[in-house]
Amino acid sequence: EAQVTQNPRYLITVTGKKLTVTCSQNMNHEYMSWYRQDPGLGLRQIYYSMNVEVTDKGDVPEGYKVSRKEKRNFPLILESPSPNQTSLYFCASSLAGVSSEQFFGPGTRLTVL
Amino acid sequence: GENVEQHPSTLSVQEGDSAVIKCTYSDSASNYFPWYKQELGKRPQLIIDIRSNVGEKKDQRIAVTLNKTAKHFSLHITETQPEDSAVYFCAASTPGTYKYIFGTGTRLKVLA
Repeated sequence: EAQVTQNPRYLITVTGKKLTVTCSQNMNHEYMSWYRQDPGLGLRQIYYSMNVEVTDKGDVPEGYKVSRKEKRNFPLILESPSPNQTSLYFCASSLAGVSSEQFFGPGTRLTVL
Repeated sequence: GENVEQHPSTLSVQEGDSAVIKCTYSDSASNYFPWYKQELGKRPQLIIDIRSNVGEKKDQRIAVTLNKTAKHFSLHITETQPEDSAVYFCAASTPGTYKYIFGTGTRLKVLA
């Protein structure tokens, strides 16, 4: 089944404790992206990747890192999480960059205390 | 940079009535305009999209119109049903930027 998976789905952590949210897709998509969803603010792009080893900042990249060592995986890293990073995070992938449908993962609800 | 404004933020309609959600974009070079539906607790899913070389697109009860001159596009849902209740997001993308800009969302409630 074609899909985007994320892990973990729920995470409660404390300020400063490094964490990684994994994202994987099995559709051989070149473009992958991370978003955060906050009430009233919609979906805001954190980072995106056009292909392996090619990443760039979205609109809200501060406090986040990403890597793209393999085509299928695009982990999101929070080196030192802070409470303002409490949010719902979505990973997405698409076949033809930003000119085609984005397929979203199930989401990761992160709480930073 | 690109900005997408979406209105209204909430919309309540009676079952069977029509619903219209509007979005305005800032970058005249934007050429792809998708609409996503997000049901409660679920992931966003594409329901319809339109490209800049087309003025209107329909899929059963859903239609999207694009006015490139005014830089706005709208989602039209006819004969609304309770299962249409969800949050709807518009988005715009510009070739060469690799960025996908979403609107802030519209919570649609269809009242039975």
